[in-house]
Amino acid sequence: DGGITQSPKYLFRKEGQNVTLSCEQNLNHDAMYWYRQDPGQGLRLIYYSQIVNDFQKGDIAEGYSVSREKKESFPLTVTSAQKNPTAFYLCASSVQGGRNTIYFGEGSWLTVV
Amino acid sequence: GQNIDQPTEMTATEGAIVQINCTYQTSGFNGLFWYQQHAGEAPTFLSYNVLDGLEEKGRFSSFLSRSKGYSYLLLKELQMKDSASYLCAVKDQKVTFGIGTKLQVIP
Repeated sequence: DGGITQSPKYLFRKEGQNVTLSCEQNLNHDAMYWYRQDPGQGLRLIYYSQIVNDFQKGDIAEGYSVSREKKESFPLTVTSAQKNPTAFYLCASSVQGGRNTIYFGEGSWLTVV
Repeated sequence: GQNIDQPTEMTATEGAIVQINCTYQTSGFNGLFWYQQHAGEAPTFLSYNVLDGLEEKGRFSSFLSRSKGYSYLLLKELQMKDSASYLCAVKDQKVTFGIGTKLQVIP
Protein backbone atom coordinates (compact mmCIF):
# COMPACT_ATOMS: atom_id res chain seq x y z
CA ASP A 1 0.00 0.00 0.00
CA GLY A 2 1.16 3.53 -0.69
CA GLY A 3 1.73 5.82 2.21
CA ILE A 4 4.04 7.50 4.67
CA THR A 5 5.83 5.43 7.28
CA GLN A 6 7.28 6.96 10.40
CA SER A 7 9.44 5.11 12.90
CA PRO A 8 9.73 4.60 15.72
CA LYS A 9 6.21 5.20 17.01
CA TYR A 10 7.49 5.85 20.53
CA LEU A 11 10.99 6.98 21.46
CA PHE A 12 12.61 7.91 24.73
CA ARG A 13 15.65 10.16 24.78
CA LYS A 14 18.07 10.87 27.55
CA GLU A 15 19.14 14.43 28.05
CA GLY A 16 22.15 15.31 25.90
CA GLN A 17 21.46 12.64 23.28
CA ASN A 18 20.70 13.11 19.61
CA VAL A 19 17.90 11.00 18.17
CA THR A 20 16.75 10.50 14.59
CA LEU A 21 13.16 10.00 13.49
CA SER A 22 12.66 8.17 10.22
CA CYS A 23 10.16 9.14 7.53
CA GLU A 24 9.74 7.18 4.31
CA GLN A 25 7.10 7.68 1.59
CA ASN A 26 6.30 5.64 -1.50
CA LEU A 27 3.83 8.12 -2.96
CA ASN A 28 6.41 9.63 -5.33
CA HIS A 29 5.80 13.01 -3.71
CA ASP A 30 8.33 15.78 -4.28
CA ALA A 31 7.67 17.76 -1.10
CA MET A 32 8.13 16.52 2.45
CA TYR A 33 7.56 18.23 5.80
CA TRP A 34 8.22 17.81 9.49
CA TYR A 35 5.83 19.25 12.07
CA ARG A 36 5.87 19.29 15.82
CA GLN A 37 2.71 19.22 17.95
CA ASP A 38 2.62 19.87 21.68
CA PRO A 39 -0.35 18.76 23.81
CA GLY A 40 -3.40 20.86 23.03
CA GLN A 41 -1.49 22.88 20.45
CA GLY A 42 -1.47 23.23 16.70
CA LEU A 43 1.13 21.97 14.26
CA ARG A 44 4.34 23.97 13.93
CA LEU A 45 6.61 23.55 10.93
CA ILE A 46 10.18 22.47 11.66
CA TYR A 47 11.67 21.88 8.20
CA TYR A 48 10.40 21.26 4.70
CA SER A 49 11.90 20.06 1.45
CA GLN A 50 10.49 20.65 -2.02
CA ILE A 51 13.09 18.66 -3.91
CA VAL A 52 15.91 16.20 -3.33
CA ASN A 53 19.09 17.70 -1.85
CA ASP A 54 17.29 20.89 -0.85
CA PHE A 55 15.42 21.90 2.31
CA GLN A 56 14.32 25.04 4.12
CA LYS A 57 13.85 25.98 7.75
CA GLY A 58 10.34 26.27 9.05
CA ASP A 59 9.17 28.29 12.02
CA ILE A 60 10.95 26.32 14.77
CA ALA A 61 14.08 24.81 13.17
CA GLU A 62 16.49 25.52 16.07
CA GLY A 63 17.80 22.31 17.62
CA TYR A 64 16.75 20.16 14.65
CA SER A 65 18.46 18.98 11.48
CA VAL A 66 17.28 17.15 8.35
CA SER A 67 18.60 15.63 5.15
CA ARG A 68 16.99 14.83 1.81
CA GLU A 69 19.38 12.54 -0.02
CA LYS A 70 16.59 10.47 -1.56
CA LYS A 71 13.16 11.48 -2.78
CA GLU A 72 11.41 8.97 -0.58
CA SER A 73 13.26 9.71 2.68
CA PHE A 74 13.35 12.77 4.97
CA PRO A 75 14.83 11.89 8.39
CA LEU A 76 14.70 14.38 11.27
CA THR A 77 17.41 14.56 13.92
CA VAL A 78 16.51 16.06 17.26
CA THR A 79 19.78 17.32 18.66
CA SER A 80 20.82 17.97 22.24
CA ALA A 81 20.47 21.68 21.43
CA GLN A 82 16.69 21.26 21.42
CA LYS A 83 15.91 22.01 25.05
CA ASN A 84 12.30 20.90 25.14
CA PRO A 85 11.94 18.06 22.62
CA THR A 86 9.09 16.13 24.24
CA ALA A 87 6.30 16.28 21.64
CA PHE A 88 4.40 14.49 18.89
CA TYR A 89 6.28 14.66 15.58
CA LEU A 90 4.46 14.38 12.27
CA CYS A 91 6.00 13.81 8.87
CA ALA A 92 4.00 14.72 5.77
CA SER A 93 4.37 14.80 2.01
CA SER A 94 2.64 16.27 -1.03
CA VAL A 95 3.02 16.64 -4.77
CA GLN A 96 4.24 19.99 -6.02
CA GLY A 97 1.68 22.33 -7.56
CA GLY A 98 -2.02 21.89 -8.22
CA ARG A 99 -4.28 20.30 -5.65
CA ASN A 100 -1.29 19.46 -3.49
CA THR A 101 -2.95 17.89 -0.49
CA ILE A 102 -0.61 17.09 2.37
CA TYR A 103 -0.74 13.52 3.63
CA PHE A 104 0.55 12.63 7.07
CA GLY A 105 2.34 9.68 8.58
CA GLU A 106 1.05 8.22 11.84
CA GLY A 107 3.43 10.28 13.95
CA SER A 108 6.21 9.64 16.45
CA TRP A 109 5.99 10.35 20.17
CA LEU A 110 9.31 11.55 21.62
CA THR A 111 9.78 11.78 25.38
CA VAL A 112 12.83 13.01 27.23
CA VAL A 113 13.66 10.99 30.34
CA GLY B 1 4.53 35.65 7.33
CA GLN B 2 1.23 33.96 8.00
CA ASN B 3 -1.36 34.45 10.73
CA ILE B 4 -4.25 32.01 11.02
CA ASP B 5 -7.04 32.38 13.58
CA GLN B 6 -9.76 29.96 14.56
CA PRO B 7 -11.73 29.44 17.78
CA THR B 8 -10.05 27.12 20.24
CA GLU B 9 -13.15 25.23 21.37
CA MET B 10 -16.75 24.67 20.31
CA THR B 11 -19.59 22.50 21.56
CA ALA B 12 -22.53 21.28 19.48
CA THR B 13 -25.37 18.80 19.80
CA GLU B 14 -25.62 15.48 18.02
CA GLY B 15 -27.69 15.87 14.83
CA ALA B 16 -27.14 19.62 14.63
CA ILE B 17 -25.07 21.78 12.26
CA VAL B 18 -21.88 23.54 13.31
CA GLN B 19 -19.75 26.12 11.48
CA ILE B 20 -16.06 26.49 12.31
CA ASN B 21 -14.53 29.75 11.10
CA CYS B 22 -10.98 30.47 10.06
CA THR B 23 -9.46 33.84 9.17
CA TYR B 24 -6.00 34.28 7.74
CA GLN B 25 -3.48 36.93 6.76
CA THR B 26 -0.76 35.63 4.49
CA SER B 27 1.93 37.02 2.23
CA GLY B 28 0.96 34.53 -0.48
CA PHE B 29 -1.91 32.14 -1.08
CA ASN B 30 -2.03 28.84 -2.92
CA GLY B 31 -4.97 27.14 -1.26
CA LEU B 32 -6.63 26.46 2.09
CA PHE B 33 -7.04 23.05 3.69
CA TRP B 34 -9.21 21.66 6.46
CA TYR B 35 -8.07 18.61 8.40
CA GLN B 36 -9.66 16.54 11.14
CA GLN B 37 -7.50 15.25 13.99
CA HIS B 38 -8.59 12.87 16.71
CA ALA B 39 -6.60 12.96 19.93
CA GLY B 40 -3.25 11.19 19.62
CA GLU B 41 -3.64 10.57 15.90
CA ALA B 42 -2.38 12.16 12.70
CA PRO B 43 -4.57 14.70 10.87
CA THR B 44 -6.71 13.43 8.02
CA PHE B 45 -7.62 15.51 4.97
CA LEU B 46 -11.16 16.90 4.73
CA SER B 47 -11.20 19.59 2.07
CA TYR B 48 -9.22 21.95 -0.13
CA ASN B 49 -10.32 25.36 -1.47
CA VAL B 50 -8.33 27.51 -3.85
CA LEU B 51 -11.17 29.44 -5.56
CA ASP B 52 -13.94 31.39 -3.87
CA GLY B 53 -17.10 29.53 -3.08
CA LEU B 54 -18.46 26.44 -1.43
CA GLU B 55 -17.12 22.92 -1.82
CA GLU B 56 -19.48 20.20 -0.63
CA LYS B 57 -18.47 16.68 0.26
CA GLY B 58 -21.14 14.65 2.00
CA ARG B 59 -21.84 15.98 5.50
CA PHE B 60 -18.85 18.34 5.27
CA SER B 61 -18.66 21.58 3.28
CA SER B 62 -15.97 24.23 3.12
CA PHE B 63 -16.25 27.84 2.00
CA LEU B 64 -13.57 30.31 0.94
CA SER B 65 -13.49 34.05 0.39
CA ARG B 66 -10.00 35.11 -0.69
CA SER B 67 -10.78 38.83 -0.62
CA LYS B 68 -11.87 38.57 3.02
CA GLY B 69 -9.20 36.07 4.07
CA TYR B 70 -11.97 33.89 5.43
CA SER B 71 -13.01 30.28 5.34
CA TYR B 72 -15.42 28.09 7.23
CA LEU B 73 -16.01 24.38 7.63
CA LEU B 74 -19.64 23.32 7.92
CA LEU B 75 -20.50 19.99 9.51
CA LYS B 76 -24.07 18.75 9.14
CA GLU B 77 -25.96 15.99 10.94
CA LEU B 78 -23.33 15.88 13.65
CA GLN B 79 -22.35 12.50 15.00
CA MET B 80 -20.52 11.68 18.24
CA LYS B 81 -17.51 10.50 16.19
CA ASP B 82 -17.15 14.06 14.84
CA SER B 83 -15.72 15.07 18.22
CA ALA B 84 -12.18 16.01 17.23
CA SER B 85 -9.95 18.97 16.47
CA TYR B 86 -10.40 20.71 13.12
CA LEU B 87 -7.33 22.34 11.66
CA CYS B 88 -7.32 25.16 9.13
CA ALA B 89 -4.13 25.37 7.05
CA VAL B 90 -2.95 27.83 4.40
CA LYS B 91 -0.41 27.11 1.69
CA ASP B 92 1.98 29.45 -0.04
CA GLN B 93 5.56 28.12 -0.33
CA LYS B 94 4.89 26.01 2.75
CA VAL B 95 1.79 24.91 4.63
CA THR B 96 1.02 26.70 7.90
CA PHE B 97 -1.59 25.38 10.32
CA GLY B 98 -3.83 27.23 12.72
CA ILE B 99 -4.00 26.11 16.33
CA GLY B 100 -7.09 24.00 15.64
CA THR B 101 -10.67 24.07 16.94
CA LYS B 102 -11.57 21.36 19.41
CA LEU B 103 -15.16 20.33 18.74
CA GLN B 104 -17.14 18.45 21.35
CA VAL B 105 -20.36 16.81 20.20
CA ILE B 106 -22.80 16.16 23.03
CA PRO B 107 -25.92 13.94 23.05
